[in-house]
Amino acid sequence: GDSVTQMEGPVTLSEEAFLTINCTYTATGYPSLFWYVQYPGEGLQLLLKATKADDKGSNKGFEATYRKETTSFHLEKGSVQVSDSAVYFCALTGTASKLTFGTGTRLQVTL
Amino acid sequence: GAVVSQHPSRVICKSGTSVKIECRSLDFQATTMFWYRQFPKKSLMLMATSNEGSKATYEQGVEKDKFLINHASLTLSTLTVTSAHPEDSSFYICSAPRGTSSGEQFFGPGTRLTVL
Repeated sequence: GDSVTQMEGPVTLSEEAFLTINCTYTATGYPSLFWYVQYPGEGLQLLLKATKADDKGSNKGFEATYRKETTSFHLEKGSVQVSDSAVYFCALTGTASKLTFGTGTRLQVTL
Repeated sequence: GAVVSQHPSRVICKSGTSVKIECRSLDFQATTMFWYRQFPKKSLMLMATSNEGSKATYEQGVEKDKFLINHASLTLSTLTVTSAHPEDSSFYICSAPRGTSSGEQFFGPGTRLTVL
């Protein structure tokens, strides 16, 4: 079945550092890929998405590119802020049209 | 602001009792809502799809008699954990689709259930 693997956290960075959170997937067909973010005390929010190979999703300075050849959708940001501290979930929708999530990666950004 | 709310945010109950969790869509109608369960350091697991006006669709391995779902209106779905046991302790999250894409969903803030 479909599955998503993302790096375990927590990831701790200083403000303005470069962020990469790795995500790889297994799915039949051509899934759509998503990054969701959960800020403390809030529900998950869609951060960005990509629906086909080589698409780049971007939002709030975050980017991720749908790489079919490596089955990856790594999340990047050039300069993180303290306000980016949250839990980030990689997810996909496959042939069953249901969201399959990774385990989440906690990001802690310090001054 | 939040577009999907859940109530309560936290509940503690005794083993053998039933607990109801509400999920409401705010300012929009949802004919479909989803219920997830999240274990510590694990991903969200889809439990069931709640359908307004018809029976819920449960994922494989989820006991429908244990986890009763009622989609009472276009803005309200409820999950009742019946005869709760300590192993039912978990974080329960609901969501509603955002538009026509099944992958884009509005999520509630979750309900922490602790069964003593």
